[in-house]
Amino acid sequence: RKEVEQDPGPFNVPEGATVAFNCTYSNSASQSFFWYRQDCRKEPKLLMSVYSSGNEDGRFTAQLNRASQYISLLIRDSKLSDSATYLCVVGTYKYIFGTGTRLKVLA
Amino acid sequence: NAGVTQTPKFQVLKTGQSMTLQCAQDMNHNSMYWYRQDPGMGLRLIYYSASEGTTDKGEVPNGYNVSRLNKREFSLRLESAAPSQTSVYFCASSEVAEDQPQHFGDGTRLSIL
Repeated sequence: RKEVEQDPGPFNVPEGATVAFNCTYSNSASQSFFWYRQDCRKEPKLLMSVYSSGNEDGRFTAQLNRASQYISLLIRDSKLSDSATYLCVVGTYKYIFGTGTRLKVLA
Repeated sequence: NAGVTQTPKFQVLKTGQSMTLQCAQDMNHNSMYWYRQDPGMGLRLIYYSASEGTTDKGEVPNGYNVSRLNKREFSLRLESAAPSQTSVYFCASSEVAEDQPQHFGDGTRLSIL
């Protein structure tokens, strides 16, 4: 089993749709969780940290389920500009990156 | 707002040549990292430096060496480049604490013929 697993997609959704991604991790001792966004041929950029109680940043909501060892990212009211690859990152001091889930928002 | 700066942005090498990728950060971070990203493989950690004067191997260190020159700079050296090292290389930095994300440079695209 990979340490961090993501569905590679692509997820093709119309503008305005709600879309959710999950990411599972194998190390139950992991303490830190993040979602990054990566545009084609660009560097990963931090989208949001994921906290135990769940957290929201505008149209984006992240949640952590320690019992089932997964984190999720929900995007509401999708925009064309949300098209990118979303990377799940898990670890404690040293981080493991998932291979990413590709999202395409269609006009 | 420079953040993490990598040089060069692009490089083509012949098999057996050597080169050094440079990385500098101006955020006063203690930790610095080198990753490579290949299609379908995600980001893989090559080496990291938790603080000035220390370096440790990551997941894929073979064929690479690193130097933490000072707090700001962390370089990656390919002593004898191989085609398998064709990749996009990212440098990152962060504070040493839980819940501290890594900040990335914009990458070096390296092709080895």
